[in-house]
Amino acid sequence: AQRVTQPEKLLSVFKGAPVELKCNYSYSGSPELFWYVQYSRQRLQLLLRHISRESIKGFTADLNKGETSFHLKKPFAQEEDSAMYYCALKVPGAQKLVFGQGTRLTINP
Amino acid sequence: NAGVMQNPRHLVRRRGQEARLRCSPMKGHSHVYWYRQLPEEGLKFMVYLQKENIIDESGMPKERFSAEFPKEGPSILRIQQVVRGDSAAYFCASSPTLGQNTEAFFGQGTRLTVV
Repeated sequence: AQRVTQPEKLLSVFKGAPVELKCNYSYSGSPELFWYVQYSRQRLQLLLRHISRESIKGFTADLNKGETSFHLKKPFAQEEDSAMYYCALKVPGAQKLVFGQGTRLTINP
Repeated sequence: NAGVMQNPRHLVRRRGQEARLRCSPMKGHSHVYWYRQLPEEGLKFMVYLQKENIIDESGMPKERFSAEFPKEGPSILRIQQVVRGDSAAYFCASSPTLGQNTEAFFGQGTRLTVV
């Protein structure tokens, strides 16, 4: 079965510091990988997906098939980045998303 | 477009009662997904529906849980004879079509508390 692992439940960094939220997955084929974000009192929303290869709000994520990872990175954290972040996987041909447990990111001033 | 609307936002039920959770997808969306988030866990897929059809219910518990998405009206997730372990946040998502670039939009969730 597919699995997504986010090893850090909590991550706290200072404003201006680099951020890396880790995500590892288990799936033998070529999945679609996503990062979702949930800001306080807001709904879950798509942050970025690996097929787009774009940077959103300064965040990037590279799919590393060799390490089966899809870590989310930002070189300089901002206070408004504080939120809950979920990594998710979709198997080709299926519609359901498999989510990790989430990482709560706190950016300290 | 108001986005995916879920109601109620909070629902309290006594053990043995029924819980009905509603989800109105975004306008133009015909695909609905339900996810459950237990405390301290990630979202877990429950069921995927299109209008009047259940496409994938592989994540639904075998008993007490059912879902529908009628031709008219919202999608309903029904939990009969609720137990304490059903306490969770239930999220609905919708998408317009299928395809590689299809994005699912989430509602704000219904937090069910069984007392």
